[in-house]
Amino acid sequence: EVQLVQSEAEVKKPGESLKISCKSSGYSFTSYWIAWVRQMPGKGLECMGIIYPGDSHTRYSPSFQGQVTISADKSISTAYLQWSSLKASDTAMYYCARHYSGSWFDYWGQGTLVTVSS
Amino acid sequence: NFMLTQPHSVSESPGKTVTISCTGSSGSITSYYVQWYQQRPGSAPTTVIYEDNQRPSGVPDRFSGSIDSSSNSASLTISGLKTEDEADYYCQSYDSSNQEGYVFGTGTKVTVL
Repeated sequence: EVQLVQSEAEVKKPGESLKISCKSSGYSFTSYWIAWVRQMPGKGLECMGIIYPGDSHTRYSPSFQGQVTISADKSISTAYLQWSSLKASDTAMYYCARHYSGSWFDYWGQGTLVTVSS
Repeated sequence: NFMLTQPHSVSESPGKTVTISCTGSSGSITSYYVQWYQQRPGSAPTTVIYEDNQRPSGVPDRFSGSIDSSSNSASLTISGLKTEDEADYYCQSYDSSNQEGYVFGTGTKVTVL
């Protein structure tokens, strides 16, 4: 059974750093792209970027380029999303999702809520 | 920037049919596949339609997808509405023109009266 299990909710202050995770199981982690998707409170879905764990090739959506870093550790089948200096506007739910066959996101993590507040 | 525009909300009675549109701002909606995701409150999205009109295993055939190249739009139709269909629905496709990559629609709230 394919599963994507994300790390727990985080509460951080502005300026702090953060790295959240998405652990995959039930399939070959290095053979599928993994995306990170942001959902701000009461808003829609936004794709932040996508990584191919097989070679760590990463593509960022222009809005998120330079704002976050996406990485993966294939030895533990885990993808990461990290910030070096959080802002209040980073408060959102973040989902990881497996990308299948160049078209759709077929499996999703349960989401990680990140709250940034002073 | 490439955008996929959906109606903000639709509502209908149980047993009826609703259709949600997803209109591309530029280019051709037929260039890349369109997917549809359902998101119930407090839950992660799940796929109801992929590759324009394919249903994942377990999704009832009350859900169907189509493409209309003349209006540069995709549509999700839900027939025989049930209260459990009340959710937000997002279309999704790909934009290669401005490196936007994977783009989601603005989202539609479906209310089953």
